[in-house]
Parts: sequence; structure tokens; C-alpha cells
Amino acid sequence: SAVISQKPSRDICQRGTSLTIQCQVDSQVTMMFWYRQQPGQSLTLIATANQGSEATYESGFVIDKFPISRPNLTFSTLTVSNMSPEDSSIYLCSVGGADTEAFFGQGTRLTVV
Amino acid sequence: GENVEQHPSTLSVQEGDSAVIKCTYSDSASNYFPWYKQELGKGPQLIIDIRSNVGEKKDQRIAVTLNKTAKHFSLHITETQPEDSAVYFCAASKGGNNRLAFGKGNQVVVIP
Repeated sequence: SAVISQKPSRDICQRGTSLTIQCQVDSQVTMMFWYRQQPGQSLTLIATANQGSEATYESGFVIDKFPISRPNLTFSTLTVSNMSPEDSSIYLCSVGGADTEAFFGQGTRLTVV
Repeated sequence: GENVEQHPSTLSVQEGDSAVIKCTYSDSASNYFPWYKQELGKGPQLIIDIRSNVGEKKDQRIAVTLNKTAKHFSLHITETQPEDSAVYFCAASKGGNNRLAFGKGNQVVVIP
């Protein structure tokens, strides 16, 4: 399985600011995804990070709020923009390939005050 | 889209007993069903998965069964140990694209 590193592991941010979360994988992967896990809740897919093109967003998530970059096959970033307390969640990076398992990073715990 | 439901929400078992968690899914095109274990403060860890071309898969104390007709799949943990205490999530996806739809999670508590 791939080793996935997320930075930062946690942060406390002021409302109205933005935070960029990094996801680094130790090997090239076809697919990278970003999920959100609100406190005590399940995981919800935000978007698929596409290498070399714009990310594909799920219903309810938009690029202006969650811009995503994927410059190569081992790295992606998720930005949470203009944060409000409702954005307080764990943000998780996931990687996998077609017809292979999906693995998760340890998550970034974001608190917006 | 896919809707995955998970029952029960909380399960307490005595150490050594078995635990069973059941999930149902709505999209008959779903063909991949992983189970994840999440411990406090950690990311989800893949513990077992099953594809739609098989009905059962086992890995030591953990097994997963799939009923495509009824559109449900279950996680079975035998001889439970305190370290099995965690939140377990089921998920489903289709077409090998790994866009997973998750259930709400099940808190399993193993009582020593």
C-alpha cells in the first residue's frame, strides 16, 4: 500500500482565512481524492484531483470554495477558502488506481474559530 | 447517486464474542465494497474488501459476505479483542473508479 502524508496534521484558523492542505504519496498513483469528515460523521467525497486538469467536484462542492491542485502523480493540495466554523472537519486525502484499493492519509483536523 | 446505510450505529460485545455489522446499498451497479477501521485521531484503515464476483472473503478473524440480490454486505469479526474497538465504515463504488460512498459508521466497543 502507498504511504500517504498530509500536512498539516491539524490547525486552528480564523474565520475568513484560507488553509491549504498538502497530500504527498510515496509512489505514483492514478487517482487522488479529497474527502471531508465532519465531527462524528461519515466521510463525504469532495472531489477527484485530476493530474494536469481541473478537479472533478461532487454535488455540493465548488471550486471557488475548495480549489484543488494536482501538479504530478504524487502530490495534491486542497485549499479551504474563506473559512467559517461550519468548515471545521477532518479533511482526508485518498489514493488508489482503477480496480485497486483506496488508501487514506491520517487526515488534517481543521478547527475554524 | 449511491446510498449506503449501515446498521447498527453502536455495537457492544464481550471480548471473545463475534461482532457483525451490516450495510445495504442502493445502486445495483456498485461492484466494490471495502471496509475501513478508524481509530480515534487516525485516518481510515482498509481492513478487508470484496468485489461483486465473489460472495465471501476471509482474512484471519475478519470476513465479509456479499449478497448482490439483496444488495447488502456484512463484516464479521470473530474472537473479538479490545483492540478491535473502533469505528467501522462500509463503502461502495462502481466501475473501479474508487469514488467511494460511505455508510455512517459503526462504533464497536469490545468489553474486556
